[in-house]
Amino acid sequence: KNEVEQSPQNLTAQEGEFITINCSYSVGISALHWLQQHPGGGIVSLFMLSSGKKKHGRLIATINIQEKHSSLHITASHPRDSAVYICAVREGAQKLVFGQGTRLTINP
Amino acid sequence: NAGVMQNPRHLVRRRGQEARLRCSPMKGHSHVYWYRQLPEEGLKFMVYLQKENIIDESGMPKERFSAEFPKEGPSILRIQQVVRGDSAAYFCASSPPRSSYNSPLHFGNGTRLTVT
Repeated sequence: KNEVEQSPQNLTAQEGEFITINCSYSVGISALHWLQQHPGGGIVSLFMLSSGKKKHGRLIATINIQEKHSSLHITASHPRDSAVYICAVREGAQKLVFGQGTRLTINP
Repeated sequence: NAGVMQNPRHLVRRRGQEARLRCSPMKGHSHVYWYRQLPEEGLKFMVYLQKENIIDESGMPKERFSAEFPKEGPSILRIQQVVRGDSAAYFCASSPPRSSYNSPLHFGNGTRLTVT
């Protein structure tokens, strides 16, 4: 079993829909990151969380430390949100462990 | 303030050749991390370096792979005698000195290595 599990692996939705991507982890962590990767492109850090909730534009990230679970939400989704979203947990000082990613496709 | 710069973006090598991947961290950053993304797989940690020091290389293959971060110049990930299985995207990230557990991550655009 992977230390970081994301669901779903693939998600297709229509423009405007509310999107939720989930991340569960099995290890103790100091922080959790949500990353975005466009096809053939680089990786952008969206959020870093150690507790509670953060919001940036149409993106919202939450984390429940007791349940070892985090969610990434996208409101009013748009085709340009199509990308792979990756959850990564920081174990200890520096090492990151990554989920397999969720491939999101938003159709117009 | 330029972000993390990786070059080349694409690198093609024949089996047995050497591959050198370069990463220049963000200005003021002295910590560098290398990650590998194999086709259809997730990212995996390879190595964590500070200037002139390897701090954690627990993710590096035991043979053919090495990394350095000299006092001057970029960090280099070196793969000797490449094989087809080395074909992957290699990403570098950097963080500032005195990094805390909650330092944000800044990634480069990656180097896509293809071994023919």
